[in-house]
Amino acid sequence: GAGVSQSPRYKVAKRGQDVALRCDPISGHVSLFWYQQALGQGPEFLTYFQNEAQLDKSGLPSDRFFAERPEGSVSTLKIQRTQQEDSAVYLCASSPHSYEQYFGPGTRLTVT
Amino acid sequence: SQQGEEDPQALSIQEGENATMNCSYKTSINNLQWYRQNSGRGLVHLILIRSNEREKHSGRLRVTLDTSKKSSSLLITASRAADTASYFCATDGLTGTASKLTFGTGTRLQVTL
Repeated sequence: GAGVSQSPRYKVAKRGQDVALRCDPISGHVSLFWYQQALGQGPEFLTYFQNEAQLDKSGLPSDRFFAERPEGSVSTLKIQRTQQEDSAVYLCASSPHSYEQYFGPGTRLTVT
Repeated sequence: SQQGEEDPQALSIQEGENATMNCSYKTSINNLQWYRQNSGRGLVHLILIRSNEREKHSGRLRVTLDTSKKSSSLLITASRAADTASYFCATDGLTGTASKLTFGTGTRLQVTL
């Protein structure tokens, strides 16, 4: 079966532009997570959805970051007015239960 | 912020040798997991060990957990070139969103022929 997919795989944005990153989780997975991975570091938690409800957004670094999952399936992470420090790989993961998470390939965002 | 550190940061071994990497974490946990990340790809779940377990095996993988020392180790036996990747430990906590993962800094493993 299909795994978690993310698009685009690569995104180059000029500083100040808005970007939208898409995540298609595994069908039927209730939980969806977004992580940010800087170069040479481990992923860091951004936000968590259970179905369409955003239950935890404590990891979002600023109010420029916004995530949604309106129908409890596909999720979009939006970053407004991108800054150079936003350059990272953004990983999406889904899970049928709480603990084992299935990760997508990530979107590499480069802000120039 | 990262939960803790892994050591070594980088490890280079020859095919057939065993590879051991260690992970330390800071807060009390529910479970500890190990993930592998190949260059340019997402993370792949390897193994989960619960806080009340001390050792777990899966194929060529052996994981230990010492909650008194807040540390874990991952042993890969009879390594193969295909094991070349970065390895991360990740913990999930007892409070807040229990299932959100907090990752270590990772160990980059290179297995040469």
